[in-house]
Amino acid sequence: SQQGEEDPQALSIQEGENATMNCSYKTSINNLQWYRQNSGRGLVHLILIRSNEREKHSGRLRVTLDTSKKSSSLLITASRAADTASYFCATAIYNFNKFYFGSGTKLNVKP
Amino acid sequence: GAGVSQSPSNKVTEKGKDVELRCDPISGHTALYWYRQSLGQGLEFLIYFQGNSAPDKSGLPSDRFSAERTGGSVSTLTIQRTQQEDSAVYLCASSPTGTSGGPPGELFFGEGSRLTVL
Repeated sequence: SQQGEEDPQALSIQEGENATMNCSYKTSINNLQWYRQNSGRGLVHLILIRSNEREKHSGRLRVTLDTSKKSSSLLITASRAADTASYFCATAIYNFNKFYFGSGTKLNVKP
Repeated sequence: GAGVSQSPSNKVTEKGKDVELRCDPISGHTALYWYRQSLGQGLEFLIYFQGNSAPDKSGLPSDRFSAERTGGSVSTLTIQRTQQEDSAVYLCASSPTGTSGGPPGELFFGEGSRLTVL
């Protein structure tokens, strides 16, 4: 892959548990974004974190960014069955106005 | 409409035929992207348009693929002489211009065009 790679590829948890997904990338970035994709549909933006930020929150979502390790994590707290989807990280490469997506983490939240 | 619109939503074609996929971005968004997603895979960057600048075509997989954006709005992705490996969902996204010359921010995606080449 040119850039982001998510880990794990698949994650299955019970409703109410927390879900953590990781993203690693290779080159310097301007920002990193997380997206969600329900099966067969378009992607929906969840959260953006800039290269000078270390942590960001949005509702039940918490994103961290470690530029020294070139990695990010997405934490979904108190998961719900409706959170079942694929989650992708997208990196905006420094000085280039295009985004690279990883292969995604497929999250299954069992009711 | 309020969102990014793509058509057709589904297209089945025979190997060797040409296809055109259309994307109507959100009004006022200057950046437009095409991505390809094969079954169960991530998104593969194809092409990027920004305003009146020359497009970044670095992701187009072969010369059978081309795209244009007319009047800075609607974009068409054309695949000539389709092959079975072209079968995928083609996603379009638009974004408002980034500030201070930086990259655009959030991408707004359409629902995609699912292409099946028999």
